[in-house]
Amino acid sequence: AQSVTQLDSQVPVFEEAPVELRCNYSSSVSVYLFWYVQYPNQGLQLLLKYLSGSTLVKSINGFEAEFNKSQTSFHLRKPSVHISDTAEYFCAVSGVGGGAQKLVFGQGTRLTINP
Amino acid sequence: GAGVSQTPSNKVTEKGKYVELRCDPISGHTALYWYRQSLGQGPEFLIYFQGTGAADDSGLPNDRFFAVRPEGSVSTLKIQRTERGDSAVYLCASSLTFSGGPGELFFGEGSRLTVL
Repeated sequence: AQSVTQLDSQVPVFEEAPVELRCNYSSSVSVYLFWYVQYPNQGLQLLLKYLSGSTLVKSINGFEAEFNKSQTSFHLRKPSVHISDTAEYFCAVSGVGGGAQKLVFGQGTRLTINP
Repeated sequence: GAGVSQTPSNKVTEKGKYVELRCDPISGHTALYWYRQSLGQGPEFLIYFQGTGAADDSGLPNDRFFAVRPEGSVSTLKIQRTERGDSAVYLCASSLTFSGGPGELFFGEGSRLTVL
C-alpha cells in the first residue's frame, strides 16, 4: 500500500516569489507520482507526473517537481508565482504493477498568492 | 459537454435514505473512477472500472456502497441506508488506458452529498 504526506496545509506567498510545496510518500514497491491542482470552482486537473525516465518533470505553466527516491519525496517548485496560481495542490502516488490505476492522494496544500 | 459531468451537483438527504449519484465520462474514455473527498482531506479512492467491469473496488467502505457501469460509459454510485458520515463530495474521473502507467485522470466537479 502507498501513502502520501503533504507537510503544509497552507502556504501563503507574495506574487513573484518562489514557492515549494512539499510531498513525501511511502511505498513498498516502485511508484508513479503526480501533482494535481484544483482552481477555485473547478475540478481537479493534472499538473505534472513522473512515470519513468528523467526524475525532473515540468508543467507548461512553470512548475517543476523532482522525484527523489532516496528521500521518498516529490516536491513541487516554481521560481516565481502569479496570482493565477492560487489553488489547492494535491500530491498523489500509485504503485507500479497491478494497482497502478489506484491513486492515493495527500491531504492537499492550499497555495495563496498575495499581491 | 467535453468534460466529465456529474449529477446532481448537490444532494441533501436524510439518514437512512437511498441515494444515486451519476457520472457521465468523457466520450471514449475506457477507465472510470469514483473518489470521495471529505472536508479538509484529499480524494479517497473508492472504485475503478475498466469498461463495464469493476477492476478494483477495494476502496468501497462497506456493502452499503455499490457502483455500476452497465454499458461501459455512464456510471452510477449507489449508497443505501445513508449515514451522516457519508457526507462528502463524491468525485468521478475518467481516463484513457495506457500500458505504461495510469493515464491522466479528468475529474468532474463532484456531487456534494449531505446526510442530515
